[in-house]
Amino acid sequence: DAKTTQPPSMDCAEGRAANLPCNHSTISGNEYVYWYRQIHSQGPQYIIHGLKNNETNEMASLIITEDRKSSTLILPHATLRDTAVYYCIVRVAIFGQGGKLIFGQGTELSVKP
Amino acid sequence: NAGVTQTPKFQVLKTGQSMTLQCAQDMNHEYMSWYRQDPGMGLRLIHYSVGAGITDQGEVPNGYNVSRSTTEDFPLRLLSAAPSQTSVYFCATSGDISTDTQYFGPGTRLTVL
Repeated sequence: DAKTTQPPSMDCAEGRAANLPCNHSTISGNEYVYWYRQIHSQGPQYIIHGLKNNETNEMASLIITEDRKSSTLILPHATLRDTAVYYCIVRVAIFGQGGKLIFGQGTELSVKP
Repeated sequence: NAGVTQTPKFQVLKTGQSMTLQCAQDMNHEYMSWYRQDPGMGLRLIHYSVGAGITDQGEVPNGYNVSRSTTEDFPLRLLSAAPSQTSVYFCATSGDISTDTQYFGPGTRLTVL
């Protein structure tokens, strides 16, 4: 699985968009980009994933560059409850069969009033 | 539908004691796994299972045993606890064909004295 690089911490004002970057310059053609978050030592929570197209769901948007070497997770209107550690994970996905998630250090996002 | 449950929530052991951390899921997922998270670190994979009767080692398997006799349960056994096993343990399951999402339990906080 490709290695990812994320900034260790970021701040965001409540109500503003939070843009969390991730570099994955060694990503392979069959590897997906996944984002999880962990709120205050709870179990990690799935946010979104994508292969090469931009994706959006009820939680967030994922923007993947055309060369797929980097991506950005966007929380459109951050709230205090979005304060968490965000993990960007690159992996081959065998849908329905699970697989190892390699967690790096992640980005600690602090949403401030 | 409880999702992924873990028991106990907290446990204190003395060096050399043994114990079993329980993980149960009611989502009929084939894939289950155990991670540990040390303070300030990302999660690391201990063991995983792709179905009943099948288990394999992850990144940090030493000191832990697992078995998978049913789809629902995936217990993690510490045979002789050591202070280095003080950590938070998370169980995860996966079986979503469309997203390959992994669902994490709430965690067990283990302290070995």
